[in-house]
Amino acid sequence: AQSVTQLDSQVPVFEEAPVELRCNYSSSVSVYLFWYVQYPNQGLQLLLKYLSGSTLVESINGFEAEFNKSQTSFHLRKPSVHISDTAEYFCAVSAPGSGGYQKVTFGTGTKLQVIP
Amino acid sequence: DADVTQTPRNRITKTGKRIMLECSQTKGHDRMYWYRQDPGLGLRLIYYSFDVKDINKGEISDGYSVSRQAQAKFSLSLESAIPNQTALYFCATSDRDREEQFFGPGTRLTVL
Repeated sequence: AQSVTQLDSQVPVFEEAPVELRCNYSSSVSVYLFWYVQYPNQGLQLLLKYLSGSTLVESINGFEAEFNKSQTSFHLRKPSVHISDTAEYFCAVSAPGSGGYQKVTFGTGTKLQVIP
Repeated sequence: DADVTQTPRNRITKTGKRIMLECSQTKGHDRMYWYRQDPGLGLRLIYYSFDVKDINKGEISDGYSVSRQAQAKFSLSLESAIPNQTALYFCATSDRDREEQFFGPGTRLTVL
């Protein structure tokens, strides 16, 4: 069985400061990894993903995440946050399930609060 | 127009009532999903469908049923709503050749 752990339920950070949102996963097989962002009163939208290749992946709005297989982690980072980054962030892992289904498991989410 | 739409966006109902939540998509995706989101619990999968004739239970299907009326439509029903089904419900879609999911805006359901 696969699982995703986001230990920090809330992360307050001052505007223009760096931030790291932690994500650890467990799986006995190869995985795909995702970060989704949920702005207030909206659905989730994909922020970035790791499928294969370079272990460092970037989003268009300055976030990046690095796949670390030995530590089973996929932490999300941004060197300088903006007020508009205030949202809830979900880490997700996708791995083969029964019947050929690529099962997706979501973490419990981390609320990023950017303080002016 | 939004690619994945959900109706209603908000609903308040009473214990024992039958409720249907509807999801439509214009992305042409085969795969559709229903999740519920509860504070501190993240998203949990209720049902998923790979095509019109393929419907599967997720991790928390008890008390729910679904109908895939067409490739573009996937409805979630609560046959007899109970208060612990109060939650935010999301529909999502994905393409068989891609890994990410595309979410609707959600339906906030309150069962009194």
